[in-house]
Amino acid sequence: NAGVTQTPKFQVLKTGQSMTLQCAQDMNHNSMYWYRQDPGMGLRLIYYSASEGTTDKGEVPNGYNVSRLNKREFSLRLESAAPSQTSVYFCASSSIRDRYNYGYTFGSGTRLTVV
Amino acid sequence: AQTVTQSQPEMSVQEAETVTLSCTYDTSESDYYLFWYKQPPSRQMILVIRQEAYKQQNATENRFSVNFQKAAKSFSLKISDSQLGDAAMYFCAYRLGGAQKLVFGQGTRLTINP
Repeated sequence: NAGVTQTPKFQVLKTGQSMTLQCAQDMNHNSMYWYRQDPGMGLRLIYYSASEGTTDKGEVPNGYNVSRLNKREFSLRLESAAPSQTSVYFCASSSIRDRYNYGYTFGSGTRLTVV
Repeated sequence: AQTVTQSQPEMSVQEAETVTLSCTYDTSESDYYLFWYKQPPSRQMILVIRQEAYKQQNATENRFSVNFQKAAKSFSLKISDSQLGDAAMYFCAYRLGGAQKLVFGQGTRLTINP
């Protein structure tokens, strides 16, 4: 099925370890996003990529890096994980040409725990 | 910066009754879009309803409707004939016209009592 695929779905890291969250979409969307979801704070934008070759910081970028590998893929890297990065991470993509829901499609999320 | 506020962390309603979830937002722009998303325990984000700011008519999708008060910057969601499957976290979200980033509220957890 078409959509946004995130891997892994669950991950436990030790403080200081690094990891990369992978995201791929097959809808030919131009824009991709990484959000984190924390209780009582909703979803907050970490980084986004308006188009292939560009990335920009969102509301909470500290401690993260991103790579827009190509039009399909947008990865999020934690170089040195901290307990404060324990969260649920969502990747999303959008296309302004998708008129039904304005193109927002979310992945199923990654639950990350840093101990 | 645009902000979205949901002042009700939790709500509950009896099955078959009506419930209203509140959302306010802050913006100085005139061209924007508002959304309500549902997140069941599966974590999937599901679009429930959207409203274009330039439209005066309130959006409706089956049992879901909104009360959009542009001057008051209020965007509430009404769920009629509540069903057990409506139990979820609900997020209000804002997007500026021409841009594509979504700004979310804190969420309201809705419980349906049988």
